Amino acid sequence: EDQVTQSPEALRLQEGESSSLNCSYTVSGLRGLFWYRQDPGKGPEFLFTLYSAGEEKEKERLKATLTKKESFLHITAPKPEDSATYLCALQTGANNLFFGTGTRLTVIP
Amino acid sequence: ETGVTQSPTHLIKTRGQQVTLRCSSQSGHNTVSWYQQALGQGPQFIFQYYREEENGRGNFPPRFSGLQFPNYSSELNVNALELDDSALYLCASSLDGRAGGGEQFFGPGTRLTVL
Repeated sequence: EDQVTQSPEALRLQEGESSSLNCSYTVSGLRGLFWYRQDPGKGPEFLFTLYSAGEEKEKERLKATLTKKESFLHITAPKPEDSATYLCALQTGANNLFFGTGTRLTVIP
Repeated sequence: ETGVTQSPTHLIKTRGQQVTLRCSSQSGHNTVSWYQQALGQGPQFIFQYYREEENGRGNFPPRFSGLQFPNYSSELNVNALELDDSALYLCASSLDGRAGGGEQFFGPGTRLTVL
């Protein structure tokens, strides 16, 4: 059975304090791993897609990496505007996305 | 380029009623997926439409049904509403669901409250 687990559930950082969010998964056939950002009451905003182990992608203060069992979202020198819930999702044999429950990030000025 | 739009923004219904939610896909996208997101949870896949045909369905009962129109906009219909149907309903569009779809881009969602 496909599973995706995100940790920690919640994370509080001081502005400028770098950290990483984890997404571990078990899946029979991974077609892609997606990261989204979601602000309260809004739809998820697409960040990255990773397709194979060893792949890395960067956007501003965010960097996503992928291994055969997990993905990390590294946040370098975060700012208060980076506060949001970060969702990890798998695309498997079907065309739907299978989401984790997210990590709620709060960056304190 | 127009993003994904959804209507209405908020909706309040009573148990047993029926509801229709609407979604306009992003320009150039022919695939629409619907998700249900309960408070504090990740989105759960309801179903997907590709060129007006259902192209996959999650673990939701038949009272959840949908349509896709020739312009690729879509509707989600829920009959016999239950209290547990209260959630944020998200629509996502993508370029080609049949070929794997790639990135899905989400609308702002419709917040449904069932009393």
